[in-house]
Amino acid sequence: AQKITQTQPGMFVQEKEAVTLDCTYDTSDPSYGLFWYKQPSSGEMIFLIYQGSYDQQNATEGRYSLNFQKARKSANLVISASQLGDSAMYFCAMREEYSGNTPLVFGKGTRLSVIA
Amino acid sequence: NAGVTQTPKFRILKIGQSMTLQCTQDMNHNYMYWYRQDPGMGLKLIYYSVGAGITDKGEVPNGYNVSRSTTEDFPLRLELAAPSQTSVYFCASSILGSRETQYFGPGTRLLVL
Repeated sequence: AQKITQTQPGMFVQEKEAVTLDCTYDTSDPSYGLFWYKQPSSGEMIFLIYQGSYDQQNATEGRYSLNFQKARKSANLVISASQLGDSAMYFCAMREEYSGNTPLVFGKGTRLSVIA
Repeated sequence: NAGVTQTPKFRILKIGQSMTLQCTQDMNHNYMYWYRQDPGMGLKLIYYSVGAGITDKGEVPNGYNVSRSTTEDFPLRLELAAPSQTSVYFCASSILGSRETQYFGPGTRLLVL
């Protein structure tokens, strides 16, 4: 069974600084995908970034990058140059991809607060 | 494209009442999902569907039922509402593909009193 662990209930970061949100995962499937979503106070789920288990390079999307360490089973999200609008809940999620699009399994999330 | 739409946005139910949460997507996605999010928690899968006529249980299916008669619609039925079903419900859809994200609806906030 898959499992996602986010150990940081809350994080603070100064505006314009970088911040790392931790995510570790567990799965026995050799093919899987890792996702990060942002949930602002308005409640919608916003897709940020994806990392496939066979990807050779760490994923990047604008100010978001994913520090993927396969041997350690970690997929940390790095947000560079934090902005006040980055204040939100952030969820790490994964799915096994060997036999199609299995549903996502989510962590409990990390609340990020950006301070001016 | 409206994407994934959910109705209603908010509902208060009395214990024992029933209701249907509606979910529609206009992206011709085969896969559809229902999740619930309890306060301060991540999303948990209730049911999902890989195509019209095919549904399967997720982690927390008790107290819910689904049907998928068309590609576009995936309603979630609550029978005999209980306070433990107070939550925010998200519907999502996706196409088949390893790099494809799920697209989420705006959510339905349900309060059972």
